[in-house]
Amino acid sequence: DGGITQSPKYLFRKEGQNVTLSCEQNLNHDAMYWYRQDPGQGLRLIYYSQIVNDFQKGDIAEGYSVSREKKESFPLTVTSAQKNPTAFYLCASSISGGRQPQHFGDGTRLSIL
Amino acid sequence: SQELEQSPQSLIVQEGKNLTINCTSSKTLYGLYWYKQKYGEGLIFLMMLQKGGEEKSHEKITAKLDEKKQQSSLHITASQPSHAGIYLCGADTLTGGGNKLTFGTGTQLKVEL
Repeated sequence: DGGITQSPKYLFRKEGQNVTLSCEQNLNHDAMYWYRQDPGQGLRLIYYSQIVNDFQKGDIAEGYSVSREKKESFPLTVTSAQKNPTAFYLCASSISGGRQPQHFGDGTRLSIL
Repeated sequence: SQELEQSPQSLIVQEGKNLTINCTSSKTLYGLYWYKQKYGEGLIFLMMLQKGGEEKSHEKITAKLDEKKQQSSLHITASQPSHAGIYLCGADTLTGGGNKLTFGTGTQLKVEL
């Protein structure tokens, strides 16, 4: 079955440490996205990519980095510069162009040790 | 920037009762998406609306976009425990699509037996 796989489901970060969240899709979608979800704040866009080797900052990109070397993969690194990383992170993908629904993975919950 | 306000923030209904969730935008809605989320999981796409006055149904869930395209409603008929979760609306941020979405803060629905 086609879908989006996020791993790990739970992740813990120590102070000063960078951590990387994995997102893989086999839907053959060109566009991929990373969102952060905090209680009472809905989803906020961190980064998005419309095509391989290209990505743009979203509304809250500071303290995060991404890469898009393959169509299927869009990993997110939470750097030590992100002072409040505790949140639920969601990856999504969609067909690029026009109005297309985004399809989501099951999320990664990141906590600080 | 576009803002989406959902109401109510939370809702408790008895099984079998009907309910309505609203999503109001500060700007014209060119594409409106409804998603459902169970706590700690990803978002499940329900429906997309694009045209003023458009209405779509899936099983016991009906979504409408008003004629002025600034408000959408999600109506559940004869609610069941399986309907419990968080309902989120998302809207295209560009008139030509482009896939970037802004999300509301969600409505938490509980269905009591």
